[in-house]
Amino acid sequence: DTAVSQTPKYLVTQMGNDKSIKCEQNLGHDTMYWYKQDSKKFLKIMFSYNNKELIINETVPNRFSPKSPDKAHLNLHINSLELGDSAVYFCASSHRGASGGAGQYFGPGTRLTVT
Amino acid sequence: GEDVEQSLFLSVREGDSSVINCTYTDSSSTYLYWYKQEPGAGLQLLTYIFSNMDMKQDQRLTVLLNKKDKHLSLRIADTQTGDSAIYFCAECFGNEKLTFGTGTRLTIIP
Repeated sequence: DTAVSQTPKYLVTQMGNDKSIKCEQNLGHDTMYWYKQDSKKFLKIMFSYNNKELIINETVPNRFSPKSPDKAHLNLHINSLELGDSAVYFCASSHRGASGGAGQYFGPGTRLTVT
Repeated sequence: GEDVEQSLFLSVREGDSSVINCTYTDSSSTYLYWYKQEPGAGLQLLTYIFSNMDMKQDQRLTVLLNKKDKHLSLRIADTQTGDSAIYFCAECFGNEKLTFGTGTRLTIIP
């Protein structure tokens, strides 16, 4: 299936731990994104990469570090997890410059719970 | 500013039309979108409209854009139980960054 996939789907961990979320797309897109959806369902962009280059970096704590080994993958590493990091994290992809017309395609989300 | 506002809740009887409204503040947006999020799922792109259009129809969906008032709406004709979801409008800046509205939770009354 052509899609945006994320692993894991659920992640429960304790405060202070370091964790990673992985994202892969097989749509041939060159741009990938991370969004955070909080408990009130509000969605906000965190990062965007184009061909492994960071192009959008919103105001996000530097405990969050995205890594793009190639244009089909964008991982999110979070250090020293805090309670406020609990949210659903969505990965998305698109063609750069065509995002406007074709839109961004979203993965199923990773629900992170920090206890 | 980049605030995109929506009503949080909408209840509609099955078979009626649903109209979900969205107000955005940045007139430089090039595209405006509607996404659907079902419980426990990701976001599904429903439709979009280019900023120089004022209407787009796609089967049961009709998008209206009033650029002067920065108002976007999504009309779902003959609303079905499967339409229950949260609907997000979003605006696109520079063909890359999406700014989402607060989401409208649509509930269908049998």
